[in-house]
Amino acid sequence: EPEVTQTPSHQVTQMGQEVILRCVPISNHLYFYWYRQILGQKVEFLVSFYNNEISEKSEIFDDQFSVERPDGSNFTLKIRSTKLEDSAMYFCASSVLGEQFFGPGTRLTVL
Amino acid sequence: TQLLEQSPQFLSIQEGENLTVYCNSSSVFSSLQWYRQEPGEGPVLLVTVVTGGEVKKLKRLTFQFGDARKDSSLHITAAQPGDTGLYLCAGVRNTDKLIFGTGTRLQVFP
Repeated sequence: EPEVTQTPSHQVTQMGQEVILRCVPISNHLYFYWYRQILGQKVEFLVSFYNNEISEKSEIFDDQFSVERPDGSNFTLKIRSTKLEDSAMYFCASSVLGEQFFGPGTRLTVL
Repeated sequence: TQLLEQSPQFLSIQEGENLTVYCNSSSVFSSLQWYRQEPGEGPVLLVTVVTGGEVKKLKRLTFQFGDARKDSSLHITAAQPGDTGLYLCAGVRNTDKLIFGTGTRLQVFP
């Protein structure tokens, strides 16, 4: 059964460093998303992406964040200068008919 | 603003008992999805409900969407230890972003 994959599973970085989180969505899906979940809190929407451009972004998704689909399979989330409060699980999701399927997540720890 | 409130927040029951988890809002949703999440993993989609009053069954799990599309429930019959996990409702309103509920953590003891 096709699934969304994410790498790395765990990323530790120093505050102020740039990180790139990678996702491979399900192959025939057209819509892509990033969500995050701070420990003990709700899953929160960050950004949606369709047809090579951002469809919607939340207020969390400020100028430090960017997304890219560099080729036909990968979907990346970049955080330019990480802050302590960026520590969270980051989930990628993809959909084709409205139902969103999530990857296993990347745990980002900012020290 | 908590758009989707789930209750109860925690539930500990014995194997074989029945339970219901509620997902409530004052807002109307065009669809609602239920997910289950294991520790350290991503949410796994269980079901999507779209029509007001819709009922869907998935083995021992019964999902209902309220008539006004503002609330939903998940009923589990004869719970098993394998049902243990975090159950999340997530709604879609005007755009396709998912608005997640506060979650219900279920523990089923053998």
